[in-house]
Amino acid sequence: GQQVMQIPQYQHVQEGEDFTTYCNSSTTLSNIQWYKQRPGGHPVFLIQLVKSGEVKKQKRLTFQFGEAKKNSSLHITATQTTDVGTYFCAYSGAGSYQLTFGKGTKLSVIP
Amino acid sequence: DAGITQSPRHKVTETGTPVTLRCHQTENHRYMYWYRQDPGHGLRLIHYSYGVKDTDKGEVSDGYSVSRSKTEDFLLTLESATSSQTSVYFCAISETGHLNTEAFFGQGTRLTVV
Repeated sequence: GQQVMQIPQYQHVQEGEDFTTYCNSSTTLSNIQWYKQRPGGHPVFLIQLVKSGEVKKQKRLTFQFGEAKKNSSLHITATQTTDVGTYFCAYSGAGSYQLTFGKGTKLSVIP
Repeated sequence: DAGITQSPRHKVTETGTPVTLRCHQTENHRYMYWYRQDPGHGLRLIHYSYGVKDTDKGEVSDGYSVSRSKTEDFLLTLESATSSQTSVYFCAISETGHLNTEAFFGQGTRLTVV
């Protein structure tokens, strides 16, 4: 079945450094979503990407969907301590009601 | 935050006892999901519902059952709890499911099976 690998599993960065997490699929995705979960909290929706090659920005966050729709990335510029948490990608197969999550990338920011 | 309430928020139970977790929504969303979250595994789908009385299995459904008798409530039952079911359980709702609108999550239920 369709599987998504999310890398890295953990990332420690100095405050002010950039951070990137990747979501890679073995098959074409119809779309992809990104969520953030703060420590002790619940996942919160960040964005959805649908189109091949799509790029969306939210302040310091840049989201990309690959041309082949098999991979996606989330890039944070100049991390802040408020960026701490786990970032998940999520997807549904075509015509599927299931929403499947990657294993997440846990980001730690050292002040 | 979307109107999703999970109950209880915390529970400790003994091995072999039945446990029911409740998810209640006030958004009238059609799709509801139960996930479990464990270190190193991310969020894994247990069961989901695409309408009243319409449910289906997810990735890790063994040992769990669900029911949805009305739009607002989605119940997750552990028929006979085991220590491997110690986890944090999240309920999520979505307006259009496979059309991929965002999912809203509840606050989670921390279940410990001793």
